[in-house]
Amino acid sequence: NAGVTQTPKFQVLKTGQSMTLQCAQDMNHNSMYWYRQDPGMGLRLIYYSASEGTTDKGEVPNGYNVSRLNKREFSLRLESAAPSQTSVYFCASFISGANVLTFGAGSRLTVL
Amino acid sequence: RKEVEQDPGPFNVPEGATVAFNCTYSNSASQSFFWYRQDCRKEPKLLMSVYSSGNEDGRFTAQLNRASQYISLLIRDSKLSDSATYLCVVRGSNYKLTFGKGTLLTVNP
Repeated sequence: NAGVTQTPKFQVLKTGQSMTLQCAQDMNHNSMYWYRQDPGMGLRLIYYSASEGTTDKGEVPNGYNVSRLNKREFSLRLESAAPSQTSVYFCASFISGANVLTFGAGSRLTVL
Repeated sequence: RKEVEQDPGPFNVPEGATVAFNCTYSNSASQSFFWYRQDCRKEPKLLMSVYSSGNEDGRFTAQLNRASQYISLLIRDSKLSDSATYLCVVRGSNYKLTFGKGTLLTVNP
């Protein structure tokens, strides 16, 4: 099915471990996004990529890195996980013509 | 000032009530505006885009006031199935998409 696929769905890490969240979309969207969602905080933008080859910081980029590997894929890396990064992470893609932001199902990350 | 601010709620209303949500944004160059709905522990889904002239989709009406930099969502004749968190979203000129914190709506029988 067309859409945004993110993996893994669940992950438990120990403090200091690293991991990469993967995201891929097959809708030929130009822009891709990573958000985190914490209780009472809404969705906060971590990084986004307006188009292939570009990335920009959002509201809460510290502790994260991203790679726009190609038009389809946008990964989020935690180099040294901290308990404050325990959250639900959503990847999304957007195309201005249709003006629709489509989300993946989310990745629940726990850092102990 | 936060880029997007939204009524914190929560809103508890009886079935059949009319409820309104508001959202303000700080960047006057913002280009597109949306309302999203999020059910518990699920990904947000598009409810409706917001157009300058205002737009309606069934029981839902969205409005944009560029001069005052706010958008609104009106839900008429609330149903139990409308219970969810409603999120406003603002797109900047550089494709940055910023969400409000969301407003939790509970519609009671």
